[in-house]
Amino acid sequence: GAVVSQHPSWVICKSGTSVKIECRSLDFQATTMFWYRQFPKQSLMLMATSNEGSKATYEQGVEKDKFLINHASLTLSTLTVTSAHPEDSSFYICSARQAIWAGSGYTFGSGTRLTVV
Amino acid sequence: DQQVKQNSPSLSVQEGRISILNCDYTNSMFDYFLWYKKYPAEGPTFLISISSIKDKNEDGRFTVFLNKSAKHLSLHIVPSQPGDSAVYFCAASLTGGGADGLTFGKGTHLIIQP
Repeated sequence: GAVVSQHPSWVICKSGTSVKIECRSLDFQATTMFWYRQFPKQSLMLMATSNEGSKATYEQGVEKDKFLINHASLTLSTLTVTSAHPEDSSFYICSARQAIWAGSGYTFGSGTRLTVV
Repeated sequence: DQQVKQNSPSLSVQEGRISILNCDYTNSMFDYFLWYKKYPAEGPTFLISISSIKDKNEDGRFTVFLNKSAKHLSLHIVPSQPGDSAVYFCAASLTGGGADGLTFGKGTHLIIQP
């Protein structure tokens, strides 16, 4: 089946630094990738939608200058948390939509636990 | 404003019995609904989905029921097995074609007791 690889699985960084999270579709071309964030005991909240080769569309309340998304190829999307602060500590998950909609939903990565100290 | 609601944070069911997880939504524009299973520190795993034009979809032990008039869906797992213990998320999409992201509920932690 479709597999999405997300790295790193966890990262600890100092406040003010930037962190890059990668999301790769291993065996399919992902025309669209989505980035979510989950705080403890909360639902996954959609942050942004990115289509290959175009600018990402951000959800209301998500700062596009803080969460930089790049989707330069059909198999790779990256999320960079710039100038991270402790309140950015969260679980970030990507998901990818296959070029041919299989009706089985979206394939998710394994997530990245970001801790900003 | 939570558009997808899972009002039961947790549910405990005996092994072999039926597990029923409920989900309500407020946006009548949602066209496609999905259920995901999630373990801690992992991404969600797709379980089953249903289009708004249907009222039932079955896949093995999992059945999803949709009541559009009540804006309610439920996931039935029968018989429940210990490996089913996880957090279950209900999610909704405005389109069935995958063009937009998903709106998730807060999840229900299902605990299967031996």
